[in-house]
Formats: sequence, structure tokens, C-alpha cells
Amino acid sequence: DAGITQSPRHKVTETGTPVTLRCHQTENHRYMYWYRQDPGHGLRLIHYSYGVKDTDKGEVSDGYSVSRSKTEDFLLTLESATSSQTSVYFCAISDPGGFGEQYFGPGTRLTVT
Amino acid sequence: SQQGEEDPQALSIQEGENATMNCSYKTSINNLQWYRQNSGRGLVHLILIRSNEREKHSGRLRVTLDTSKKSSSLLITASRAADTASYFCATDASGNTGKLIFGQGTTLQVKP
Repeated sequence: DAGITQSPRHKVTETGTPVTLRCHQTENHRYMYWYRQDPGHGLRLIHYSYGVKDTDKGEVSDGYSVSRSKTEDFLLTLESATSSQTSVYFCAISDPGGFGEQYFGPGTRLTVT
Repeated sequence: SQQGEEDPQALSIQEGENATMNCSYKTSINNLQWYRQNSGRGLVHLILIRSNEREKHSGRLRVTLDTSKKSSSLLITASRAADTASYFCATDASGNTGKLIFGQGTTLQVKP
């Protein structure tokens, strides 16, 4: 998995609690992405980053925030988790010097009860 | 909104047969990519085809792109049980941000 780790790998949390997911890369790639994967919806982009402290919204950003203070780390925060945010979350990276292919982490399965 | 729509949603074949999956999209693209996802794992990049290319090969994979019809196909020849996975197309229409829009995927089962 191309030097990408996600933590935690599994988490169960209660509605209304804050949750932070971490993506860590060792590839020094500039671009990082957070997706969620749900049955019937494929992968949908939540937020992405094109450099340290440079982030932008994706297709389904409501209820999520991100931060990137270092090249290697991209954090996804659910400020107040809801049951609709139960999903599998994937982080991906890409190198703008390449052709645009993305490399994915192993995923985090989040359950909000 | 989903850019790519894949067809079929599910495909079951015997080992040794060929598998064809199709992807349609809505807007102009820079490139189209195919990914594989084994159950419970992250996606793995398979092949990328640029908008000015019509066909590309990688091992047992053949991808075609028809920009006039806004469609692509992925052919896996001589399939193996290990090819059992979900396959996703993803389009890059973003310019320089690298943002991809994924289809919902085709689930392929290859029976030994």
C-alpha cells in the first residue's frame, strides 16, 4: 500500500462525539484525498489537499473538516458524528509530477451508533 | 453526483473466460483510470488512459476509450480466480487538482 497508513483501522463511536481519522504517507506526495465509500455510491470525495495548509472541499464535505500541517499527515475530523457518517473512509495520495494515478490506504471502518 | 456509471453492476464468469466492464461518463475528461478493490482492502490503480488515447494494454488488461461516446471499457482476458474483485472507473476532469470522480463499480466473480 504505497507507504500510506490510516489510523485507527476500526472505530465505533456514539452520535455527537468528535472523531479524528489520520492518514500518514511516507511518499512525500503533494496531493492527499479523503473519500468515503458506501454501498450504492462508490467512492465520494470529501476533502482534498494540494499542499501543507492548502485544502479544498469535495463532493460530500458537509459535517467534515480537514487539516494538513505537515506534508505527511492529513487529518479528517467529524466535529459531531452522526449515524449517516457510518462508512468506510479511504485516504489517497498522488504525485502531480505523475499522470494522476492515486494510491490508496487500507481504509478506516467507522461506525456511529 | 457520479460522473461514471458502470455496467454491469455484477458479473460472474468461469476461470479462463474474458470479462468486459463498461464505464460511461458525462463531461470532458483529461484521463480515465481503472482501479481494482479486493474485499476489505483499499483500491489499487490498474491502468490510466489519456483523453487522446484510444486503447491501452497492460498484461491481461485492455482498456479502450471513446471520447465521442464518453465511454470506456475494461477487458480482462483469460480470467483467474484471483481477479475476483470490484472494479471502478474514475475520471479526471479537474485540470491540475487530480480530483477523481468514481463510478459505482462492477463486482466480478471468477469461479474456479
